Amino acid sequence: SAVISQKPSRDICQRGTSLTIQCQVDSQVTMMFWYRQQPGQSLTLIATANQGSEATYESGFVIDKFPISRPNLTFSTLTVSNMSPEDSSIYLCSVLEGTGGINQPQHFGDGTRLSIL
Amino acid sequence: DQQVKQNSPSLSVQEGRISILNCDYTNSMFDYFLWYKKYPAEGPTFLISISSIKDKNEDGRFTVFLNKSAKHLSLHIVPSQPGDSAVYFCAASGGGYSTLTFGKGTMLLVSP
Repeated sequence: SAVISQKPSRDICQRGTSLTIQCQVDSQVTMMFWYRQQPGQSLTLIATANQGSEATYESGFVIDKFPISRPNLTFSTLTVSNMSPEDSSIYLCSVLEGTGGINQPQHFGDGTRLSIL
Repeated sequence: DQQVKQNSPSLSVQEGRISILNCDYTNSMFDYFLWYKKYPAEGPTFLISISSIKDKNEDGRFTVFLNKSAKHLSLHIVPSQPGDSAVYFCAASGGGYSTLTFGKGTMLLVSP
């Protein structure tokens, strides 16, 4: 499966600042997604990153707070804006390879561990 | 409203025995189910999946069973090994969408 690299792997940030997380894949993939895992919780989908167009956000997540870019089929960024301690989470990028159709497993990067002071 | 539930936060098993991890779901639109394994400081790794047209899928030591009428699936690991110690997440998708809904995970500890 594709090799997925996320940067940074971890960071500690001050409240009110913003951080951009990068996700790089070693091959072209059909779909890319961003998830959040808050402490003790399950993985929650933030949005689907669409190549060349605006991301599709899930209920409870908005573009102003989590702007996403996907300029090509191998790269995406997620920005966490105006951070507060509640944003302390693991942020994960995932991809769908091949035809990207239904009934295909997603593959995940190692995540970015974000702590807000 | 949790659509995918893993009611056991943790499970301890002895090496060589069977590990059984359970998962329940409420959304009848789900038709594809997956199990992921996660080690600390790593992302989830895909383990095995099953579509709703089947009731069993096997891959080596790992078998997933699906009971659609009960909206229940389980992952069996036989024999369990210490390297299997990790958090196991159940996930589901359906309704024509590829997005995944996850459970909260079960931490499996396999002792020698």
